[in-house]
Amino acid sequence: AQSVAQPEDQVNVAEGNPLTVKCTYSVSGNPYLFWYVQYPNRGLQFLLKYITGDNLVKGSYGFEAEFNKSQTSFHLKKPSALVSDSALYFCAVRDMYSGGGADGLTFGKGTHLIIQP
Amino acid sequence: DSGVTQTPKHLITATGQRVTLRCSPRSGDLSVYWYQQSLDQGLQFLIQYYNGEERAKGNILERFSAQQFPDLHSELNLSSLELGDSALYFCASSVEGLDSYEQYFGPGTRLTVT
Repeated sequence: AQSVAQPEDQVNVAEGNPLTVKCTYSVSGNPYLFWYVQYPNRGLQFLLKYITGDNLVKGSYGFEAEFNKSQTSFHLKKPSALVSDSALYFCAVRDMYSGGGADGLTFGKGTHLIIQP
Repeated sequence: DSGVTQTPKHLITATGQRVTLRCSPRSGDLSVYWYQQSLDQGLQFLIQYYNGEERAKGNILERFSAQQFPDLHSELNLSSLELGDSALYFCASSVEGLDSYEQYFGPGTRLTVT
C-alpha cells in the first residue's frame, strides 16, 4: 500500500522569506509524485509533478520541489513567499507499477501555509 | 479553470435518500476519477473510470456506485445516505501517456446530509 505523510499541519512564513512544505512518501515501486494547492471553497489545482529525470522539478507560480529517493521525500519550496500563496497544500503519490493507466492518487492530510505580511 | 465541470455545486438531502453527482471531464481526457474530501478522512480516492470501463477502485462504499457514459461524462450515485456521507465530492480527469498522469480537478459538489 502507498502512503503520504505531511508532518506539519500548518507552516507560517513571513512574506519575502523562503518557504518549505514537507512531504514524505511510501510506495512499493517507483513513485509518481504531485503537489496540489486548494484555495477556500475551490477545487485542487495542480502545481507540479515528478515522474522521472531531474530531481528538481519546477512548477506553477514559482514553486519547485526536490525529489530525494534515499529520504523518500518530495518537499515543496519557493524562494520568496507571497501573501497570495496562503492556501492548503497537498502532496500526492501513485505507484508507477500500480497497474495500467493512471490510478487514483493517495493524498497526504494537507498543510496549511500561512504567509504573513 | 481546470476544464472539469461538476454539477450541482451544492446538494442538501435527508438521510436514507439517493443522489446523483455529475462530472464532465476536460476535452480529450478519457479517465475520470472520483474523490471524497471530509474533515475526518481527508481526501480519499473512490473510483476511476477509463473510456467507459471501471479501471480502479479505492475506498468506495457498496452504497456508492459510478458509471461513465459514451460521451465520457460520469455520474456518482450515492444511496441510503447517512450523516457521515456529508462531504465535498471531487471529480478529476486525466489524459494517459508518457510523462503525463497529472489529474485536473473540478470545483466539487458539497453534499450535506441532514
